Parts: sequence; C-alpha cells; structure tokens
Amino acid sequence: GNSVTQMEGPVTLSEEAFLTINCTYTATGYPSLFWYVQYPGEGLQLLLKATKADDKGSNKGFEATYRKETTSFHLEKGSVQVSDSAVYFCALTKAEDTGRRALTFGSGTRLQVQP
Amino acid sequence: EPEVTQTPSHQVTQMGQEVILRCVPISNHLYFYWYRQILGQKVEFLVSFYNNEISEKSEIFDDQFSVERPDGSNFTLKIRSTKLEDSAMYFCASKRTGAKHYNEQFFGPGTRLTVL
Repeated sequence: GNSVTQMEGPVTLSEEAFLTINCTYTATGYPSLFWYVQYPGEGLQLLLKATKADDKGSNKGFEATYRKETTSFHLEKGSVQVSDSAVYFCALTKAEDTGRRALTFGSGTRLQVQP
Repeated sequence: EPEVTQTPSHQVTQMGQEVILRCVPISNHLYFYWYRQILGQKVEFLVSFYNNEISEKSEIFDDQFSVERPDGSNFTLKIRSTKLEDSAMYFCASKRTGAKHYNEQFFGPGTRLTVL
C-alpha cells in the first residue's frame, strides 16, 4: 500500500537558517505529492504540491521537487523565520484512487525556529 | 475566506459512551473526509463521503463509526461506544470536486477526543 516517511522532529533552527525536511514515499503508479502545514491551534493547510515527476512546488519561500528516481519530496527553505514554526506533513494521493482520493500522510515534523 | 469548522475543539468522554464530532465543510464543496491522528502518530484516513453516501473507508472505520450529513451543512462522525484507543485528534476535510485527483482538501482545526 501507500506510505510516506518523514524525518523525525523536532527540528530546531535559528532564524535565517536553511531548512530541509526529508520525505520519501512508497506508492505504485504516479502519486501526487503535497506538503501541508499546521500552525498552533489551526487546521492543516496546503503549503505546496507537485503532480508529476520533476515538478517543483513552491509557496511562501518553501520548495519541494518531485523526484521519482529517489521517491522523495524533500521540503526546503533558504531562510526560515520564527513565523514558520509549525508542524509540516508530507502526503500523497494516488491518481488511481478515483473514488477515494484520500490523502496518505507522513507522521509530521515539528519545526521550531528561534529568534 | 471560507473555512472548515469543527466543534467541539476538545471532547472528554468516558469509555463506552457515544460521541458525535461535528464539522461544517465549505459550502460549495462536494467531497468530505474524516481523518484522525493519535498523539505522536501519523494522520490516518478514516472515511470519505460524497453524494450522501460513503465512497471509501479505511480498515479503522469499523461498525463503531458512522458518518452523516443530516442537514446539508453539517457533517458528523459518530463513535457509538468509545474505547481508550479512540483518543486522538479528529480532522474533518472537504474538497470542491473530485475531477482532478490533486484538488486541495481544506481541513478544519480538529477535535481532540480524550476517552477516559
């Protein structure tokens, strides 16, 4: 079945540091890949997505590239801010799940950015 | 900006009691979902709902669970007889259309269920 593996957290960085949160997946076919973010006390929000190999999703300075050869979708940001402190979830949905189209999530990675 | 809302934010119940978790999806959305996250574990899919019926459910969604859209706006998850292991954060989500598999699901803030 489908699965998503994320690096364990928490990740603690100083402001303006470079961020990488690793995500790898297992799925048959060609899944679509997502990063969701959950700020304290809020619901999950879509941060970025990529729907085919070599696509790069980007938003708010965050980027992730769909790497089919390594089955990865690592999240990166060049310079983090305190306001980026949140839990980040990698997720996928399969194109073939036409009726369901539910998301398969990773376990989430908590990012703490210190001033 | 429209958003998915969930009530209550925190529910405490005794083992064996029934609970109903409520969600109000975004008004023009057609697909509805429940997910849960046990503390420290992955967010897991429970059930999807479309056109007033369940379209898919996971192995977690057994006979103790049911969903309903009673009045065209609310979307509820009922657990008939709660168990300790049902303690989790429950997320509701909605999506406008299923035509494109990558259409964004909009999530609510979650209901934390604690079973004592």
